[in-house]
Amino acid sequence: DVKVTQSSRYLVKRTGEKVFLECVQDMDHENMFWYRQDPGLGLRLIYFSYDVKMKEKGDIPEGYSVSREKKERFSLILESASTNQTSMYLCASSFPGTETGELFFGEGSRLTVL
Amino acid sequence: GQNIDQPTEMTATEGAIVQINCTYQTSGFNGLFWYQQHAGEAPTFLSYNVLDGLEEKGRFSSFLSRSKGYSYLLLKELQMKDSASYLCAVKDSNYQLIWGAGTKLIIKP
Repeated sequence: DVKVTQSSRYLVKRTGEKVFLECVQDMDHENMFWYRQDPGLGLRLIYFSYDVKMKEKGDIPEGYSVSREKKERFSLILESASTNQTSMYLCASSFPGTETGELFFGEGSRLTVL
Repeated sequence: GQNIDQPTEMTATEGAIVQINCTYQTSGFNGLFWYQQHAGEAPTFLSYNVLDGLEEKGRFSSFLSRSKGYSYLLLKELQMKDSASYLCAVKDSNYQLIWGAGTKLIIKP
């Protein structure tokens, strides 16, 4: 079974703090994604990566950065957390060779910024 | 703009059938996905449609009409464990996923 593991299920941070969200997948997937999920909205793509050292901006990259030093690990960084970044963050991975390119998600990291 | 519409919430009875609709307006189309997400858990893949018609997978079926920009997810013989949110997503011309806000399905005994 594909497993996507996010390092923290729940985090509480203060405004201005630097926040790291870690994601690791164990199925050698090339593609990795960071989404945020907010009530009443569809998933919104923050950043994605199709290869090591590679990153692309999604729809809402402002206030975020990412790092992909190893194939299995994709980190999301909030340089200076703000209250409007309180959200559920979902990491996902996929293998580009499949017909569907279905996503495998981690269980999410619920971040509260006070 | 790109838009995916699905009902916010639906209620159905255990053992019954429910149909969750999804309409979309996107720049191009390269497939439509349904995902299931139980409260507090990761979304999991249910189905993928790229051609018109019905795809059946056990108790779940998914239908697509590209000309109408419309899909539905049909759940038969509902069980309590089917209580979850159901997310519709369309892959656009750039192969990026556009997501609906999800439909929360409540199953009552």
